[in-house]
Amino acid sequence: SQTIHQWPATLVQPVGSPLSLECTVEGTSNPNLYWYRQAAGRGLQLLFYSVGIGQISSEVPQNLSASRPQDRQFILSSKKLLLSDSGFYLCAWCRDRRTEAFFGQGTRLTVV
Amino acid sequence: GESVGLHLPTLSVQEGDNSIINCAYSNSASDYFIWYKQESGKGPQFIIDIRSNMDKRQGQRVTVLLNKTVKHLSLQIAATQPGDSAVYFCAEKDSSASKIIFGSGTRLSIRP
Repeated sequence: SQTIHQWPATLVQPVGSPLSLECTVEGTSNPNLYWYRQAAGRGLQLLFYSVGIGQISSEVPQNLSASRPQDRQFILSSKKLLLSDSGFYLCAWCRDRRTEAFFGQGTRLTVV
Repeated sequence: GESVGLHLPTLSVQEGDNSIINCAYSNSASDYFIWYKQESGKGPQFIIDIRSNMDKRQGQRVTVLLNKTVKHLSLQIAATQPGDSAVYFCAEKDSSASKIIFGSGTRLSIRP
């Protein structure tokens, strides 16, 4: 069976510090991978998605970036965090363009 | 389309009654639709999906209806239980692309 791992579960970072959130998927190959952000009490905003190694599509211009160094690894990064980067970050995967996505448990990021 | 900046509307339902949660989508090219349930502090969980060649699909205690003419999707939950309390999101997918766009979400509250 397939599983998705996302860590850390919670993170408190000062403004201006770097960020690296990691997501890995097990039990499948060549998944589509996604990063979403969710503000408290709000909907899910698509940040990045990837259909293959090294292929990243950015949906929202901002100070975040994503990378996919391996087939089942998706990393969300920032060189300098802003207060507005606080939120609940969710990684998801799906098998192909015609199937549902499965989500990790999320990382709650608080920038102070 | 994305409505990530809006506060979630709330639907309050008596325990045992049926719940109907509605969603409007914006992309006429979307051909795959998914309902997710999100409990507090967790990632969204898949409930049921429907493809654009169908107008109704039933699962266990849940039914999804799709009206492509008015670009409307609904989720019906039969005999609502306390464990159904959560935020419910619809998502749309255009299978010619790979991104999954979420609707604004509805918070379902159960009255005893």
